[in-house]
Amino acid sequence: EVHLVESGGGLVKPGGSLRLSCAASGFTFSDYSMNWVRQAPGKGLEWVSYISTSSSHTYYADSLKGRFTISRDNVKNFLFLQMNSLRAEDTGVYYCARVAGLPSTLDYWGQGALVTVSS
Amino acid sequence: SSELTQDPAVSVALGQTVRITCQGDSLSSYYASWYQQKPGQAPLLVVYGKNIRPSGMPDRFSGSSSGNTASLTITGALAEDEADYYCNSRDTSGNHWVFGGGTKLTVL
Repeated sequence: EVHLVESGGGLVKPGGSLRLSCAASGFTFSDYSMNWVRQAPGKGLEWVSYISTSSSHTYYADSLKGRFTISRDNVKNFLFLQMNSLRAEDTGVYYCARVAGLPSTLDYWGQGALVTVSS
Repeated sequence: SSELTQDPAVSVALGQTVRITCQGDSLSSYYASWYQQKPGQAPLLVVYGKNIRPSGMPDRFSGSSSGNTASLTITGALAEDEADYYCNSRDTSGNHWVFGGGTKLTVL
């Protein structure tokens, strides 16, 4: 059974940094691209970032302006999101999601990690 | 980048059929996916591609598309279908992903 479990969320001051992790199990992690998606309190889903199977391709939402970095460890089966220069508007639940094959879709999601940016 | 537009709210009588739509330029090139999200839960994939349901998803959920509009149809809505529904696809560049703003479905 596919499992995605996020960790690393918490309370951080504006300008601070946080690193989210997503532990993957139940499938061959290295065979799948991955995404991060976030959701501000009471708001809709917002795509954050994508990483290909071998990390050769990474993409980010334009709104992030280079503050976030996605990475993965295909040996330990982890996905990461390094978040720097955090702002209040980055507050929300961050989900990792697996990218299924063709046609592309997000077929499995973790339960999410809450990030709160506040002084 | 591109945007996907959804109606903010839709209601349906119990047992009736409802259609939730999603419009965007990218949908003329890429299939939409539909996700159901209930309060306090992670999104759940409902339909994707050319009307493909994940294993275990009831067949009352179906998807369709025409031009730059994708639709999710629930035939015989149940009380448990009350949730937020989001559409999603690649954007026009193919490198980014985009979500619609979500549709809150109320089952009356």
